[in-house]
Amino acid sequence: DSGVTQTPKHLITATGQRVTLRCSPRSGDLSVYWYQQSLDQGLQFLIQYYNGEERAKGNILERFSAQQFPDLHSELNLSSLELGDSALYFCASSPRGVDEQYFGPGTRLTVT
Amino acid sequence: AQSVTQPDIHITVSEGASLELRCNYSYGATPYLFWYVQSPGQGLQLLLKYFSGDTLVQGIKGFEAEFKRSQSSFNLRKPSVHWSDAAEYFCAVGAPEYGNKLVFGAGTILRVKS
Repeated sequence: DSGVTQTPKHLITATGQRVTLRCSPRSGDLSVYWYQQSLDQGLQFLIQYYNGEERAKGNILERFSAQQFPDLHSELNLSSLELGDSALYFCASSPRGVDEQYFGPGTRLTVT
Repeated sequence: AQSVTQPDIHITVSEGASLELRCNYSYGATPYLFWYVQSPGQGLQLLLKYFSGDTLVQGIKGFEAEFKRSQSSFNLRKPSVHWSDAAEYFCAVGAPEYGNKLVFGAGTILRVKS
């Protein structure tokens, strides 16, 4: 158990819908990262927050957005969902944002 | 831009045999390097990391990895594999100047035969 929690574990929704994935980092970690894992793209970095501020952005679609709240938990919002958005979404956290990352168990999103 | 190559998609070893998983990276500066393991349906668990210093790093579960700058490699090794080591292994490189976002290799699936 890494100490990073993600909810929900599984999510099934229809195309065009909007969902919110939630992540709680390890106690004391200031930085949160979001990654997408799919069969065709592998593990891809989406976005990083550090202490509430966006720090780095990767291949994140405009339909996707994220934020980190004052209590340091983070949410990833995915809207206008398409079949191709079906994937495992991982959250990771790290103490200072430039050190090792600890991953949560992931949220499996299925878009039908 | 960083990139990571794991040339072996699948590897099968016998239980008790030694293991080496290959990883080559491309990065302009001194990299942060990591190995993660993912069991089916699970998240990624950090096995070991290299930031600087001693180029041979020890990790959990008896794994070690060696950083070779001249070869741009960070191969993972284990002297004796156990059936429970069957999983997918990912090498990753971090870019500290960009918040240390990780770029992952495609992964190597390890099968252990008894």
